Amino acid sequence: DSGVTQTPKHLITATGQRVTLRCSPRSGDLSVYWYQQSLDQGLQFLIQYYNGEERAKGNILERFSAQQFPDLHSELNLSSLELGDSALYFCASSVGRGITYNEQFFGPGTRLTVL
Amino acid sequence: DAKTTQPTSMDCAEGRAANLPCNHSTISGNEYVYWYRQIHSQGPQYIIHGLKNNETNEMASLIITEDRKSSTLILPHATLRDTAVYYCIVRLFGNEKLTFGTGTRLTIIP
Repeated sequence: DSGVTQTPKHLITATGQRVTLRCSPRSGDLSVYWYQQSLDQGLQFLIQYYNGEERAKGNILERFSAQQFPDLHSELNLSSLELGDSALYFCASSVGRGITYNEQFFGPGTRLTVL
Repeated sequence: DAKTTQPTSMDCAEGRAANLPCNHSTISGNEYVYWYRQIHSQGPQYIIHGLKNNETNEMASLIITEDRKSSTLILPHATLRDTAVYYCIVRLFGNEKLTFGTGTRLTIIP
């Protein structure tokens, strides 16, 4: 158990819909990362937040957005869903910036199926 | 971040040492080598990292060549639970995102 929790575990929805994935980082971790894992693209970095502020952006679609709240939990919002958005979405957390190494602890993931 | 090249798949007998190679010939001086693994569809798990010296922890050893162009992850006594996809990642100090390649699918044979 990494200490990172993600809800829900599974999500089945239809094209065009909007969903919200939730992540609670490990206690004390200030950084939250979102990754997408699909069969054709592999594991891809989407976005990182540090202490409520966006820190880095990867290949995140404009239909997707994220935020980190004052209690440090994070939400990933996916809208206008398409079949190709079906994937495993992982959240990871780490202590934060300013140290030599920043091990990331991954949650169990949310499996999104778009029908 | 430098690109890495890993074999697509490997087998190893249970109880033997599993040696997973990684090529990172374009690595620069301030890039670290990290290893993560992913068991089935679980979240990736950190294994070990290094800059230029060999490193060992309770999970594995990391051997980095002197020119830093390649490295080997060693699982000293592989068990069935070590069956997973192993990712070698080269990451610039200060760059916090992880860029995953295709990894090596390691299968431990009973």
